Order: sequence, then C-alpha cells, then structure tokens
Amino acid sequence: ELVLTQSPGTLSLSPGERATLSCGASQSISSSNLAWYQQKPGQAPRLLIYGASSRATGIPDRFSGSGSGTDFTLTISRLEPEDFAVYYCQQYGSSPYTFGQGTRLDVK
Amino acid sequence: QLQLQESGPGLVRPSETLSLTCTVSGGSISRSSYYWGWIRQPPGKGLEWIGNIYYTGSTYYNPSLKSRVTMSVDTSKNQFSLKLTSVTAADTAVYYCARQGLALDYWGQGILASVSS
Repeated sequence: ELVLTQSPGTLSLSPGERATLSCGASQSISSSNLAWYQQKPGQAPRLLIYGASSRATGIPDRFSGSGSGTDFTLTISRLEPEDFAVYYCQQYGSSPYTFGQGTRLDVK
Repeated sequence: QLQLQESGPGLVRPSETLSLTCTVSGGSISRSSYYWGWIRQPPGKGLEWIGNIYYTGSTYYNPSLKSRVTMSVDTSKNQFSLKLTSVTAADTAVYYCARQGLALDYWGQGILASVSS
C-alpha cells in the first residue's frame, strides 16, 4: 500500500500570507495521479487539484499544485478567510487509493 | 449539474450489515470513463477509501475491508450501493459516495452511520 505523509500537521497563518503544504509518498505515484482536497467542518471534501497540478473546475488560481514522483506541494498564494480548512492529498494511481492524514490550516 | 445523495439507516447493531445507497442525478451512471466510489471518515479523523465500482459491475476494494465489503450497481435506478458486513464500533463514520473521474470530482453530502447496540 502506498503511504502518503502530509506536513505540517497544522499550519497557522494569517490572511494574505502564502501557504505551502507538502505531501510525500512512500513510492513513486504513477502518471502524477495525485489530488488535493479541501474540507470544511460538516462538509464533504472538495476537489482542488488533480493530476498533481491541474485545477478543478471553479477553483481560484491562488491554488496551485506541483511535484512529481514522491514529492508534491499545494500552494495557496494569498490566503483568503474562506481558505482556512483541512487539506488532504490522495493518490489514485495504484489500488488501494490512499489519503494523507491531512494538514489543518488555522488562522494565526 | 451532477449530484450524489447517500441514503440508508443511521444506526446499525454490532455484527450486523451496514447497507447504503448512492443515488446519482444530473447524469448517467452508465457513462463510460467514470468509476463510482465510497469513502468514509470516522468522527474527527481522516479519510479512508473503501472502493470503486464501474457501471458494468467491475469492482476494486480496499484490501483492509475486502473480506467484508460488497458493492453493486443498478443502472436502471442510476444508483450504486455498499454493503459492509460484521460491523463494529470502529465502522462508525460518515460515509461518502463520489464519482471517480478527474480524481474524486463529485461528492455526496455524506451520511453518518453509527454502530451501537
């Protein structure tokens, strides 16, 4: 099973700042089949990024994804109040598909 | 706009079977290129992928749950279903259904299934 490790566990920043979230894989992820999701309390996760770097429909361009192989990054260029949430990475290149444990983005 | 909606009992007794259904609207479940999946989230914890099913009935299950999971699809009703047998308190979670297209691109709102006597 491919294990994803997200860091940091919690990130405390202020609106307007830049956020950098990391996702490391225990083995190379095929075809960059790596996604990022945002989850707010009481809501289902929302797809932000697929294919490591492609934004999903309707996602603002302040969200960007990068990386390949075993190291991936989600960057939020300038935090808006609505961006404070939990973020998960997921690989869907090999079964079983697996999620990282999540990064909580808190208001500083 | 594609919508997914989970349904099923909110309370299941230990050792019994959890049965959930996902109804898809705004699009056909039989459209090629898409799998349909189940994901769960225990209260206060992270996400766990349970498995996927194609409209033909082809399935992929998480090995950690494979011995207890069965997924099925009913194209006439545009629905797919999850059965999880021999449940314990560890199976208490919000269960989500989702479309596996460009990753998990459409999600249901989730349904809390609690295992308790």
